[in-house]
Amino acid sequence: AQSVSQHNHHVILSEAASLELGCNYSYGGTVNLFWYVQYPGQHLQLLLKYFSGDPLVKGIKGFEAEFIKSKFSFNLRKPSVQWSDTAEYFCAVSRSNDYKLSFGAGTTVTVRA
Amino acid sequence: DAGVTQSPTHLIKTRGQQVTLRCSPKSGHDTVSWYQQALGQGPQFIFQYYEEEERQRGNFPDRFSGHQFPNYSSELNVNALLLGDSALYLCASSLATSASPDTQYFGPGTRLTVL
Repeated sequence: AQSVSQHNHHVILSEAASLELGCNYSYGGTVNLFWYVQYPGQHLQLLLKYFSGDPLVKGIKGFEAEFIKSKFSFNLRKPSVQWSDTAEYFCAVSRSNDYKLSFGAGTTVTVRA
Repeated sequence: DAGVTQSPTHLIKTRGQQVTLRCSPKSGHDTVSWYQQALGQGPQFIFQYYEEEERQRGNFPDRFSGHQFPNYSSELNVNALLLGDSALYLCASSLATSASPDTQYFGPGTRLTVL
């Protein structure tokens, strides 16, 4: 069965610190990879996605993610966080010819002003 | 641009009752997926509807059923509610005929509490 692991349950940072959230999946075939964000009181929003091509993907609000196929990883990064980045972040994976998204448990990020 | 909408926002039911949740997809989308998100967990896939038929189903019992209407909107029905069905129910929409793989856009969810 496919699973998605997010390494950190809760991350606390100060403004301007760099952020990296880990995501690993356990499936050997072709995958599509996503990061979603849920700001307090808001619905899940797509941050970025990877289907093919350049493994370094840039998303909204200064986020980027790198797909490393050999490590089955899709880590999310932001060089300098802001207080407004406080949110819950979800990694999600779908297989080719599969319609469902499989989500990790999420990482809560708290940015201190 | 109308995003995914869901109703109601909150719902309280008692064990054994039945519930119907509703979803309207993002403008231009034709596919609806439903997810259950328990507290502190990531969303779990329930099923997906396309062309008014269930196209794929996750690991949920038959008490969970759905429907898609000709206007692409969808309903999720849960019968014989259990305490463990308390969760946030998310609807996501996508465009099946897009050239790239499915990208799903989520609604705000319906918070179901079973007492």
